[in-house]
Amino acid sequence: GAVVSQHPSRVICKSGTSVKIECRSLDFQATTMFWYRQFPKQSLMLMATSNEGSKATYEQGVEKDKFLINHASLTLSTLTVTSAHPEDSSFYICSARDRLGQGTYGYTFGSGTRLTVV
Amino acid sequence: GQNIDQPTEMTATEGAIVQINCTYQTSGFNGLFWYQQHAGEAPTFLSYNVLDGLEEKGRFSSFLSRSKGYSYLLLKELQMKDSASYLCAVRDEGGAAGNKLTFGGGTRVLVKP
Repeated sequence: GAVVSQHPSRVICKSGTSVKIECRSLDFQATTMFWYRQFPKQSLMLMATSNEGSKATYEQGVEKDKFLINHASLTLSTLTVTSAHPEDSSFYICSARDRLGQGTYGYTFGSGTRLTVV
Repeated sequence: GQNIDQPTEMTATEGAIVQINCTYQTSGFNGLFWYQQHAGEAPTFLSYNVLDGLEEKGRFSSFLSRSKGYSYLLLKELQMKDSASYLCAVRDEGGAAGNKLTFGGGTRVLVKP
């Protein structure tokens, strides 16, 4: 079945530094990638949607200059948290969709990245 | 926009049945998903409804009424491992919206012995 590999699973970084999170689709072409953020005991909040080769579409309230999304290939999308601050500490999850909507009705989730900014 | 409501927490006894309700008001609708999520892990797909009615899958069943903007997830023969958060998510109609999933706040289910 469809698999999305997300790395790193956990990262601790210093305030002011940048962190890159990668999501790779291993056996399908991810034409669309959704990036979510989840704070403790809360649900998934969509941050942005990216289509391969296009600029990402950000949800209202999400700073596009702070959360840089690159989706340059059909198998790799990255989220870079720039100038991270403690309030950016969260669980970040990607979800990939291919043109045919394979996987569990078209949405294959990565395993998530726990970001802690100290 | 999308507005999706589900209870925050529920407690049930091992072996019992629990029903988690989800109501939604959305600007577009193209299916409703239920996911299970254990703490610190990614969501796991449970069910998908796009037409009215009941979908049964082993111990889990999901129901949808589009006219009422209502769904429920039914968990039967509860096991301790079913203690988790259950997320209701609505898919929009695509196009400019991009087939996005909007999640409800999640329902934490605690199964007690």
